[in-house]
Amino acid sequence: AQSVTQPDIHITVSEGASLELRCNYSYGATPYLFWYVQSPGQGLQLLLKYFSGDTLVQGIKGFEAEFKRSQSSFNLRKPSVHWSDAAEYFCAVGGVEYGNKLVFGAGTILRVKS
Amino acid sequence: GAGVSQSPSNKVTEKGKDVELRCDPISGHTALYWYRQSLGQGLEFLIYFQGNSAPDKSGLPSDRFSAERTGGSVSTLTIQRTQQEDSAVYLCASSSYSGEQFFGPGTRLTVL
Repeated sequence: AQSVTQPDIHITVSEGASLELRCNYSYGATPYLFWYVQSPGQGLQLLLKYFSGDTLVQGIKGFEAEFKRSQSSFNLRKPSVHWSDAAEYFCAVGGVEYGNKLVFGAGTILRVKS
Repeated sequence: GAGVSQSPSNKVTEKGKDVELRCDPISGHTALYWYRQSLGQGLEFLIYFQGNSAPDKSGLPSDRFSAERTGGSVSTLTIQRTQQEDSAVYLCASSSYSGEQFFGPGTRLTVL
C-alpha cells in the first residue's frame, strides 16, 4: 500500500536560514510526487511536482525538491527562508495506477524565527 | 472561475442531521476528488470521479457518505445522520489529464 512519512512534525528555522523538510514514501509503482503548502484557514497550494525526468525539480516561491529513488525520498529545500514561509507543508504521492488519488503525509509545521 | 470553489465555507450542524457540501471544479477539468482533513486522521482520500466512469468510492468511511457529480462538473458530497467524528475540513480538488490536482479552500464542518 502507498504511504508517506514526514518524520518532523514541527520545524523551527531562523529567517534567512536554509530549510530541508523530509519526505519518504512507499509506493508499488512509478510515483508521482508532490509538495503542497497550507496556510492557516486556507486550502492546499501546490509548490512543486515530480512526474519523471530530471530528479531535481524547481517550484514556486524559491522551493526545490530532489527525487531519490534509491532512498524513496523527496525532500523539500529552500536556501533562504522568509517569514511568510511559515505554514504547514504536506508531501503526497500518487500515480495513474491508483487513479491519481493522493496519499498525504502527516505534514510538517514550519515556524520561522525573526 | 479561476479556481476550485466550495460552499459553504463553514457549516455547523446538529448530530443526526444531513448535510450537503458543494464543489465547483475548474472548468474543463475531467477529474474531481474529495478529501477530508481532520486532526486525528490527517488528509484522507474519500472519492474520485473521472469523466463518465464509475466513481472510485474506496475512501468513503461509511455508507452515510455519498457523492455525485452532475453533468461532469459540479459535485455534491452528502453526509447523512452526521456524527461528531464527521467534524473536519472537506477539501475538493480537480485535475486535467496532467494529473496535477488543484484544491479548493475547503468546507469546515462542525457537528455539535
